[in-house]
Amino acid sequence: AQTVTQSQPEMSVQEAETVTLSCTYDTSESNYYLFWYKQPPSRQMILVIRQEAYKQQNATENRFSVNFQKAAKSFSLKISDSQLGDTAMYFCAFMKPSRGTSYGKLTFGQGTILTVHP
Amino acid sequence: ETGVTQTPRHLVMGMTNKKSLKCEQHLGHNAMYWYKQSAKKPLELMFVYSLEERVENNSVPSRFSPECPNSSHLFLHLHTLQPEDSALYLCASSQGTGSNSPLHFGNGTRLTVT
Repeated sequence: AQTVTQSQPEMSVQEAETVTLSCTYDTSESNYYLFWYKQPPSRQMILVIRQEAYKQQNATENRFSVNFQKAAKSFSLKISDSQLGDTAMYFCAFMKPSRGTSYGKLTFGQGTILTVHP
Repeated sequence: ETGVTQTPRHLVMGMTNKKSLKCEQHLGHNAMYWYKQSAKKPLELMFVYSLEERVENNSVPSRFSPECPNSSHLFLHLHTLQPEDSALYLCASSQGTGSNSPLHFGNGTRLTVT
């Protein structure tokens, strides 16, 4: 079974600065998908960024980027130029390809609460 | 506006009550999910429906009963719940599998069992 670990229960950062959230996972699969989701106080889980394990290039979405280290099974999220609206709980998630099916199961970490201070 | 809508937003029920949570997706997806989010615990997958057929049931107690009448609607029927069932219940949907088919979530139902 896959496990996902986020070792930082809480983080804080000043507005406009950069912060990195950590995530490690354990799997015997060679191909899989990794995601970062954001859950603001509105409670809706919002996809922030995704990464395919077979791609060596780190994914980037505007101010959000990842540092994917496959051998170390590490998938950290870097938020640049932090904004007040980035305040939320961030979840790292793992998806194993489900061959022959039309759905995918996500395994989540415990989450990291990020607070951006003005 | 979210493509996945959950009602009610909040629910308080006694241990002997029967209630239902509703989820509706407007994205044309073919898979729907129920997750339970408890404080200080990772999200737990409860049920998965693919093409209206239940394909996953992660050892969820029988006091939780899912129903998927069509590809756009998913219900979670609740009866004889326990206080430890108090949590945020999240519905999600997806189309296909893989990184190009991420899950889209609703805003959740905050359930309190008294």
